Order: sequence, then C-alpha cells, then structure tokens
Amino acid sequence: AQRVTQPEKLLSVFKGAPVELKCNYSYSGSPELFWYVQYSRQRLQLLLRHISRESIKGFTADLNKGETSFHLKKPFAQEEDSAMYYCALFGGSNYKLTFGKGTLLTVNP
Amino acid sequence: EAQVTQNPRYLITVTGKKLTVTCSQNMNHEYMSWYRQDPGLGLRQIYYSMNVEVTDKGDVPEGYKVSRKEKRNFPLILESPSPNQTSLYFCASSPTVGQTYEQYFGPGTRLTVT
Repeated sequence: AQRVTQPEKLLSVFKGAPVELKCNYSYSGSPELFWYVQYSRQRLQLLLRHISRESIKGFTADLNKGETSFHLKKPFAQEEDSAMYYCALFGGSNYKLTFGKGTLLTVNP
Repeated sequence: EAQVTQNPRYLITVTGKKLTVTCSQNMNHEYMSWYRQDPGLGLRQIYYSMNVEVTDKGDVPEGYKVSRKEKRNFPLILESPSPNQTSLYFCASSPTVGQTYEQYFGPGTRLTVT
C-alpha cells in the first residue's frame, strides 16, 4: 500500500526565515511525488513535481529515495506563502494519487 | 474558461435523505475523482473514474456511489447520508489516466448532515 506522511500539522516561521515542510513516503515501486498547495478559500493546485526538478515561487523539493523523503524547501519565506501544503504520491500502477494529511504553514511578519 | 465546477457549494441535510453532488469539467479530461477533506485527515479519495463507464473505489468508498455516463460529468451520490459524512468534498479531473497526478480541483462542496 502507498502511504504519505507529513509529520507536522502546523509550522510557523517568520518572514525571511528558511522553511522546510517534511514529507516521507512508503511505496514499493518507483514513486512520483508532488506538492499541492491550498491558499485560504482557494482550490488545491499543483505546486511542483519531482520529475521536473523545477522551482516554483522559490520552492524546491528533492526526492531522496534512500530516505524515502520529498521535503519542500524555501530559503526565504514570504507572508503570501501561508497556506496548507499537501505532499502526494502517484502510484502509477493503480492510477491513484495518495495525499498526506497536510501541513499548515503560517509565515509571520 | 477551463474549470471544474461543483454544485451545490453548501448543503445542509438530514440523516437518510438521499442527495447528489454534481461535478462537471469542460476540459475533456479522462480521469475524474472525488475526495473528502477532514481536519487532521487530509484528503482521502472516495471514488475515481478512468473514463466513461469505468469507475473504481478509492480509500473511503463506504456510503457513496458514483456514475460516469458522460465524460464531463461525475456525480457523487449519498443514498442515505449519515452525520459522519459531514465533510468538505472536492471533485478533481486530470487530462489523461497516465497523468492523474496533475489534478485540477473544483471549488469544494461543504456538506453538513444532521
């Protein structure tokens, strides 16, 4: 069974500080990992995917297969980054997208 | 405008009264899915559909039904709602089955069952 764990329900940082949202996964095959974001009163939207190795809004995430992790990082947090962040794993063989429980990030001024 | 729409956006109902939440997408997407979002539990998949007339159970299908008679629509049916189905429901769609990770979400339907 595929599983995604986000150990922090809440994360609070000050503006300009680095931020790291943790994500660990369990999957027997070769995973595809993603981060989704939900800003207040808005829909969930795809933030980034490990396969493209892109940086979106200053966020990056590296897939570490040895540690089965896909942590989301940003060197300097901004107030507009305050949102709920979900890590998700795509199980290619069953076409399912499994989400973690989410981390609510608050960036204080 | 390309989008996923859900109706109603808010619904308060009583135990046992059948209801349907509609979901429609105008992007010709193959894959559609329903999730429920609960505090502390994140998003959990209820049902998904890989194409017309092809549906399958997600992680929490009990108490729900779906149908996919047309590509654009994927209604969620609660035959006999119970209070534990009080939740925020999201419909989502993806361009192809092979790209189900790129899901486009609807605005959500907040359901309260008393």
